[in-house]
Amino acid sequence: RKEVEQDPGPFNVPEGATVAFNCTYSNSASQSFFWYRQDCRKEPKLLMSVYSSGNEDGRFTAQLNRASQYISLLIRDSKLSDSATYLCVVPGGFKTIFGAGTRLFVKA
Amino acid sequence: DTAVSQTPKYLVTQMGNDKSIKCEQNLGHDTMYWYKQDSKKFLKIMFSYNNKELIINETVPNRFSPKSPDKAHLNLHINSLELGDSAVYFCASSQGVQGLGTEAFFGQGTRLTVV
Repeated sequence: RKEVEQDPGPFNVPEGATVAFNCTYSNSASQSFFWYRQDCRKEPKLLMSVYSSGNEDGRFTAQLNRASQYISLLIRDSKLSDSATYLCVVPGGFKTIFGAGTRLFVKA
Repeated sequence: DTAVSQTPKYLVTQMGNDKSIKCEQNLGHDTMYWYKQDSKKFLKIMFSYNNKELIINETVPNRFSPKSPDKAHLNLHINSLELGDSAVYFCASSQGVQGLGTEAFFGQGTRLTVV
């Protein structure tokens, strides 16, 4: 299994849709995780931290399943401005592993 | 007031040349990184520095030489540039190791094109 694996997409959804991204990781010792967002030709920026069983922030919900080594990101009521690449991130000491990212396009 | 700044933003150069990218952070962080993002958008760590000391070198060719004169700066010098070095290079910083409550902050990236 790759250290961090994501479905690359792209996901094309209409405004208002609910969309979910999945991420699997190989290091069972990992305790916390991140979802970063990267807009086209921009730097990655933190979207959410994920620990315990999950986290919710407005329209965004991140869930963690340690047994399956699986993280998900759910976006409800998608907005045009949600169009971006979403990176699953697994901290590992000074070597943090970024997933290849899932591209999301939200269309009017 | 930019937290992590890197220069230049764009760099176009010929094969065989030597170039440098500079990075500075004003967040007071003790850990800095260089990441490479290739054409497939895969973001891969190259180097990690903690308190000016090299911690991680991810099998990067020795044509790449990072230098950290102090905790706020991490520069990247590349010798004998090759076509395959074309990518976006991101500098980042964090306070200690990345983990719960400690995320990395990224610079805007340097788009390097080798022709």
